[in-house]
Formats: sequence, C-alpha cells, structure tokens
Amino acid sequence: QKEVEQNSGPLSVPEGAIASLNCTYSDRGSQSFFWYRQYSGKSPELIMSIYSNGDKEDGRFTAQLNKASQYVSLLIRDSQPSDSATYLCAVRAGGTSYGKLTFGQGTILTVHP
Amino acid sequence: GAVVSQHPSWVICKSGTSVKIECRSLDFQATTMFWYRQFPKQSLMLMATSNEGSKATYEQGVEKDKFLINHASLTLSTLTVTSAHPEDSSFYICSANQDVQPQHFGDGTRLSIL
Repeated sequence: QKEVEQNSGPLSVPEGAIASLNCTYSDRGSQSFFWYRQYSGKSPELIMSIYSNGDKEDGRFTAQLNKASQYVSLLIRDSQPSDSATYLCAVRAGGTSYGKLTFGQGTILTVHP
Repeated sequence: GAVVSQHPSWVICKSGTSVKIECRSLDFQATTMFWYRQFPKQSLMLMATSNEGSKATYEQGVEKDKFLINHASLTLSTLTVTSAHPEDSSFYICSANQDVQPQHFGDGTRLSIL
C-alpha cells in the first residue's frame, strides 16, 4: 500500500472552473502537509503548506486537512491554463525524520480554454 | 525568500566521467538538504538526506559509493556521481529546509551520459 496516494488523473477542467485535488496518507504520525506544483521539465514549486485541521486559503488556492480521515486536498478556484501542471502532495512525519517528505505519485491537471 | 540555487542545470558527458552538482541555499541556512532523482513521468525519488557536518543518510538501494554527498556548510551541499554510466542519466533535484520550514527545491540538473 502506498504511503501517500493521490487521486488518479489526469484531471481536466475548463478555464474558470474549480479544480479539486485529493490526497490520502497512511502514517497517522504525519504532522506537516504540502502541495507542490511541477511544470513539465521543471523542479517542484511550493504552493501551500498546512499543519492543522481545517482550511487554509492563499489567493485562488485552498488547502484542506482532516487528520482524523488522513486526508488533505487542494482546491484551485478560477482555474487558468497556466495552472496546468503536475501537482504533488507531500507529507512529513514528526520525530527524527529530519524533515523527510513522502510524495504522492502526482496528479496531472490540464485547464483548457 | 527561501531560494535554492542548483548548478549546473544541464550536463552532457561521456561514460566513466564523474560529475559534481552543487546545491546552495541563498538566503537561509539549510539545516538539512535532500537529493532526489526523477525519471520521466515518475514522481520524485529521495536518494539521500544530508545535514551539515554529518555523513549523509542514503535511502535503501542507493549506492553511497556511487553518489557521494558532501554537506560542507549550512548553505552548500554537493552530489558527485562517480564513474557515471548511461543508466545514471536522470533529472537530479536538490532541496533544502531550515528546521521545520517547508522544503524548497533547486531548479534541477539534467544529466545525460553518453
């Protein structure tokens, strides 16, 4: 069983719509959760970080965390073609893991005009 | 803030050559640096974790004699791919974080071994 699993893609949404990306994780000791965006041929770029249950909003992006359900999601409102990329969910355990991240397999998002 | 610089961005070299990749945190002191490799259409694979002044911790299956990591200061880590062969061709990416802050990634190094 994968430790971090993202909803299978690819995901295609029209411009202006809401894109919803989901992620579940298996380690209940996980304490920090991140969403990265990766354009083709480029390295990942941090979009959002979330540490406590609930919603966190930053511009058009909203991250949602539910530790009881071991679930984290990313909503992108008013999706733009420039949002087309692979979105990586990453989870960091607590303790002495030295900040090591476990990544999901990624969800490819395409926003079409 | 939180800028990580990686150099070179692209390397093409002959089989048997050793290649060094540098990773620098430009505006913060990196408690920990990480090295990943990524094959086409796959997710990131962590190779090793390094802390300044300590030996790197390698993930299972990663040859430490093949991929030498040096973390000489709080702003610089290097990865040397020794005696590189075509199967080592990949996209190598470093990241760094300070304490409990998120990891920030360098731009990556595309390594092609002929």
